[in-house]
Amino acid sequence: DAGVTQSPTHLIKTRGQQVTLRCSPKSGHDTVSWYQQALGQGPQFIFQYYEEEERQRGNFPDRFSGHQYPNYSSELNVNALLLGDSALYLCASSLGAEEFFGPGTRLTVL
Amino acid sequence: QKEVEQNSGPLSVPEGAIASLNCTYSDRGSQSFFWYRQYSGKSPELIMSIYSNGDKEDGRFTAQLNKASQYVSLLIRDSQPSDSATYLCAVNLATHYGNNRLAFGKGNQVVVIP
Repeated sequence: DAGVTQSPTHLIKTRGQQVTLRCSPKSGHDTVSWYQQALGQGPQFIFQYYEEEERQRGNFPDRFSGHQYPNYSSELNVNALLLGDSALYLCASSLGAEEFFGPGTRLTVL
Repeated sequence: QKEVEQNSGPLSVPEGAIASLNCTYSDRGSQSFFWYRQYSGKSPELIMSIYSNGDKEDGRFTAQLNKASQYVSLLIRDSQPSDSATYLCAVNLATHYGNNRLAFGKGNQVVVIP
């Protein structure tokens, strides 16, 4: 049973660029949440997708957007990258209360 | 007030000892509570879930929940060097959607000394 997968593993971008991160949920899971984790901090909730719609959103600007496909996979898009967007981006999938994380994408903005 | 607070600094414990981690939360409506373990450079791994007041044991881990005091704790018995990691407390915030919206503490680093 495959767990949550994310791609790419690492990414280096420059300020002002745009980035797309991808996530495939654990088999049988229908809900995908995205988190940003800065060094030394806990994950911060960005948004959650269910039935192809954004259901909840954390305190992140509109530069952060996402999408969920009919197969439950999801994308996180970040526009106009800032240095402060450098972080580990985590995707988590769930069917009930428990969330399971993928390996994450390490984004570095130069 | 932060949604989830883990205020203790790094915790060093001798191998075989008990490591005790604490967490408080602000949302009285929260019903689901989790502990994640995160090794350096890796993603969080779910190790314990607790939903009712009292203790829940799973192997060497015991989670304790007191909703009246808005307090969650994790005990690691017979600590092993492989337990050296950052432990994240997470609380499922009550929303009208009735689903997950996890809030995390900043984590506590545990170092087990052989």
